[in-house]
Amino acid sequence: GAGVSQTPSNKVTEKGKYVELRCDPISGHTALYWYRQSLGQGPEFLIYFQGTGAADDSGLPNDRFFAVRPEGSVSTLKIQRTERGDSAVYLCASSLGPGTGENTQYFGPGTRLTVL
Amino acid sequence: AQRVTQPEKLLSVFKGAPVELKCNYSYSGSPELFWYVQYSRQRLQLLLRHISRESIKGFTADLNKGETSFHLKKPFAQEEDSAMYYCALKNTGGFKTIFGAGTRLFVKA
Repeated sequence: GAGVSQTPSNKVTEKGKYVELRCDPISGHTALYWYRQSLGQGPEFLIYFQGTGAADDSGLPNDRFFAVRPEGSVSTLKIQRTERGDSAVYLCASSLGPGTGENTQYFGPGTRLTVL
Repeated sequence: AQRVTQPEKLLSVFKGAPVELKCNYSYSGSPELFWYVQYSRQRLQLLLRHISRESIKGFTADLNKGETSFHLKKPFAQEEDSAMYYCALKNTGGFKTIFGAGTRLFVKA
């Protein structure tokens, strides 16, 4: 079946602009995660959704970052007033939810964000 | 503080040689440990997890709670093992995953 998909694959924007990054999880996966991966680093946890709710948003770096998942499927990561330091690859992953005994995360290809 | 440390950014070995990718962690609680792999132009994917105690593609990893380590080992490296490897942990039953910075393994012919 189809894996996790992310759009766009690349996004170039100017400092101060607003961007939205989209994630389509695997069908039936109730858990969804966003990570940020800067050059030379491992993925850094941003936020975890269980269904429609953000169960853990402790990784969001500041209030310019916000994520939603209104129908419990597609999620959008929103970044306001982008800064050059936001340049990174943004990864999305999904997994079967709690109580299933299976929590393997399946990753998308990522969106490479470049802030000029 | 919760941290995963992979001391080697790059590890280069010859085909057929043993390989060990080091991972140390600091965590207060009961962590689950994982190894993820990213092959060239492919997505990040789970390689193995400590609770399964399995061997995947010839790789094994043993959790050493005394040394807080979870090193990844393979007795005979293959060229197709060349990839980026990330060690990661999360709290047992939790969902927030913390990754190390990764080690690039290069297996030379």
